[in-house]
Amino acid sequence: TQLLEQSPQFLSIQEGENLTVYCNSSSVFSSLQWYRQEPGEGPVLLVTVVTGGEVKKLKRLTFQFGDARKDSSLHITAAQPGDTGLYLCAALKGTSYGKLTFGQGTILTVHP
Amino acid sequence: GAGVSQSPSNKVTEKGKDVELRCDPISGHTALYWYRQSLGQGLEFLIYFQGNSAPDKSGLPSDRFSAERTGGSVSTLTIQRTQQEDSAVYLCASSGSPDNTGELFFGEGSRLTVL
Repeated sequence: TQLLEQSPQFLSIQEGENLTVYCNSSSVFSSLQWYRQEPGEGPVLLVTVVTGGEVKKLKRLTFQFGDARKDSSLHITAAQPGDTGLYLCAALKGTSYGKLTFGQGTILTVHP
Repeated sequence: GAGVSQSPSNKVTEKGKDVELRCDPISGHTALYWYRQSLGQGLEFLIYFQGNSAPDKSGLPSDRFSAERTGGSVSTLTIQRTQQEDSAVYLCASSGSPDNTGELFFGEGSRLTVL
């Protein structure tokens, strides 16, 4: 059983469409992060959310942390081909250092 | 370079051989992590170093896996008697913060294929 359930696993859309990726758990987390990974590279941090109900925006990307700090979502508006990649959520739970638990990831493909 | 450097980028080995994977973190970063990324499995934590000490080795899958860090810098992950299930991308990350508030910077990974 995955501690972090990420959905959908695959997403294939046309340029200009909107999309949402979900990250859910039954556990409460101290913070949750979203990463983007391109083929042959390591994950790159997009955002960290800490407070329940928090919403952060990064250009066309909107990140939300659930009120109970058990779930999060990533919404992309007007997707571009450059948004193509693997999106990973990751959570910190119960440690004072950066030991992350990752979801399985969402592979996003945006077609021109 | 300015980022986390890992070598080799690709390693193909035969079952039963030993392999060593190297990580050179960002200069000055005291925290270093190893993660493993298998197809369809996401990233899983292996080990955490603070300086040369490894206070958390809980993610190492078996006693065939070991890691060390010297001089508070370079780390080596060693897999003895490799098995096919060890095939994965091994990612190293470093952080300038000893606690969980700092960003983790990942290297490009070492792709290990065990035949």
